[in-house]
Amino acid sequence: QVHLQESGPGLVKPSQTLSLTCSVSGGSMSSGSYYWSWIRQPAGKGLEWIGRIYSRGTTNYNPSLKSRVTMSLDTPKNQFSLKLDSVTAADTAVYYCARDIDSYGSGSNLYWGQGTLVTVSS
Amino acid sequence: QSALTQPASVSGSPGQSITISCTGTGSDVGSYNLVSWYQQNPGKAPKLMIYELTKWPSGVSNRFSGSKSGNTASLTISGLQAEDEADYYCCSFAAGGTFVFGTGTKVTVL
Repeated sequence: QVHLQESGPGLVKPSQTLSLTCSVSGGSMSSGSYYWSWIRQPAGKGLEWIGRIYSRGTTNYNPSLKSRVTMSLDTPKNQFSLKLDSVTAADTAVYYCARDIDSYGSGSNLYWGQGTLVTVSS
Repeated sequence: QSALTQPASVSGSPGQSITISCTGTGSDVGSYNLVSWYQQNPGKAPKLMIYELTKWPSGVSNRFSGSKSGNTASLTISGLQAEDEADYYCCSFAAGGTFVFGTGTKVTVL
């Protein structure tokens, strides 16, 4: 059973970079080709798709965040990461990492981390 | 890229059927059968209920079913149960290789 766990600072200052890591267990990221995604949810609001990275490194980002987002893989460590530059209070949210149900890339995220709250505040 | 439109709330009595709509555009829902539906309980991560418009992940009840007409996808919950009370989100593939979520629907079991 695949298990995902987000980690990173819970508090980030405005204008700084938000950095999160998702650790994958229950299987090697190098076995199989999957899409690894980041999704966020401000308190009391809906889900927002941030982007995804394919096992071979190609990325797709939300157009509204594209200029500030970078995703990367660290396959030997079984981790993938999210960086969001120049954060503001509007970036305060619970951030989830997730993985598709299969390698087709339909955006069907079966496996999710528990989520981590990131607050942007000075 | 605007969020897909869902009704804010839908309610029904136990045993009834309810349908949640998810309206997009010809650039997302209307052009692709890559619509998924998620159930989210308070404080929990979303749970995949339907994927690729009509498919069930292992372990998900077939009381949940998906469909689409034009630019609107729908999730139907048959035989409504108290445990179905939750927030539901649709998600669609969109032009450019991105994805967009719906605004979310709170389902209440009366």
